[in-house]
Amino acid sequence: KNEVEQSPQNLTAQEGEFITINCSYSVGISALHWLQQHPGGGIVSLFMLSSGKKKHGRLIATINIQEKHSSLHITASHPRDSAVYICAVSRSGDKLTFGTGTRLAVRP
Amino acid sequence: NAGVTQTPKFQVLKTGQSMTLQCAQDMNHEYMSWYRQDPGMGLRLIHYSVGAGITDQGEVPNGYNVSRSTTEDFPLRLLSAAPSQTSVYFCASSYSTGNLETQYFGPGTRLLVL
Repeated sequence: KNEVEQSPQNLTAQEGEFITINCSYSVGISALHWLQQHPGGGIVSLFMLSSGKKKHGRLIATINIQEKHSSLHITASHPRDSAVYICAVSRSGDKLTFGTGTRLAVRP
Repeated sequence: NAGVTQTPKFQVLKTGQSMTLQCAQDMNHEYMSWYRQDPGMGLRLIHYSVGAGITDQGEVPNGYNVSRSTTEDFPLRLLSAAPSQTSVYFCASSYSTGNLETQYFGPGTRLLVL
């Protein structure tokens, strides 16, 4: 079993819908990262969080340390949000463990 | 700032050939790392460095070499390419310890080994 599991693997939404992507992990962590990989391949860091909630524009990330679970929400989704969203966790030390990603397609 | 740059963008090699993937950053970041991305798998750490002169192995280091002679550069060497090394390679950097800092990724190098 992977240490980091994401769901769903694939997601299709209509423009304007509220989207939730989930990340569950099985180990103790010091931080959790959400990343976005554009269709062209580039990877951008969206959030790093170790507790609570963070918001940036239409993106909201939450984490529940006790339940070992994080969610990434996108409000008022837009076709430009179409990308692969990747969850990664960090334990002690310098290494990140990545999920396999959630492929999101937002249709106009 | 250019951020994290990688060259080449795409490379085709024959089995047994060697090559160096270049990575450079101009943000004075201490921490740099190399990942490979394969279909159906998460990014996997190959090697990383916490500062000039210091490198360490990641999850999948076999067949790869790294060095860190300057803060800016972190090249990845394939010693004798194998088809199993066909992948997309990403270099990343962060200000300090990789797991507690925002990661900055390069654009990737797509490698095909025949």
